[in-house]
Amino acid sequence: DGGITQSPKYLFRKEGQNVTLSCEQNLNHDAMYWYRQDPGQGLRLIYYSQIVNDFQKGDIAEGYSVSREKKESFPLTVTSAQKNPTAFYLCASSIYSGANVLTFGAGSRLTVL
Amino acid sequence: QKEVEQDPGPLSVPEGAIVSLNCTYSNSAFQYFMWYRQYSRKGPELLMYTYSSGNKEDGRFTAQVDKSSKYISLFIRDSQPSDSATYLCAMIRETSGSRLTFGEGTQLTVNP
Repeated sequence: DGGITQSPKYLFRKEGQNVTLSCEQNLNHDAMYWYRQDPGQGLRLIYYSQIVNDFQKGDIAEGYSVSREKKESFPLTVTSAQKNPTAFYLCASSIYSGANVLTFGAGSRLTVL
Repeated sequence: QKEVEQDPGPLSVPEGAIVSLNCTYSNSAFQYFMWYRQYSRKGPELLMYTYSSGNKEDGRFTAQVDKSSKYISLFIRDSQPSDSATYLCAMIRETSGSRLTFGEGTQLTVNP
């Protein structure tokens, strides 16, 4: 079955550590996205990528970095510069960059201790 | 001020009730409107998709858009315990590609 796989599902991190969240899709979608979800905030866009080797900042990119070396993969690194990294992180994809429908992964819960 | 406002609830109803979920928005450039359903600790899944004003029905679900009032609604008829989830409205400007703007979600519980 086609879909988006995010790992790990739960992750604990000490302050000052970088962590990388994995996102893999087998939908052959061109565009991929990272969102952050916090209570009372809804989903906020961190980064998005329309094609391989290209990505753009979203609304809250500070303290995060991404890469898009393969069409299937769009990992997100939460750096120590992110002031409040505890959140639920969602990866999504769309068939092309102008498509309105997103398919989401199951999410990764990051907790900073 | 948020571009999209959604009452976070929580909303609790008995099984079989009609549920009304709503969002208001401030930017008239929004053209495409969606409702996503998110079960606890899962990713959102697309429930309904509408373009511009009007109604769209899919089984027990009806999505309604009123652009003149900048107001969208999702109605659930004959609600079931399996409908218990968080419902997120989302919308896109004509020119923003796939950059969705989300409401914060309404948490719904349907009690058997």
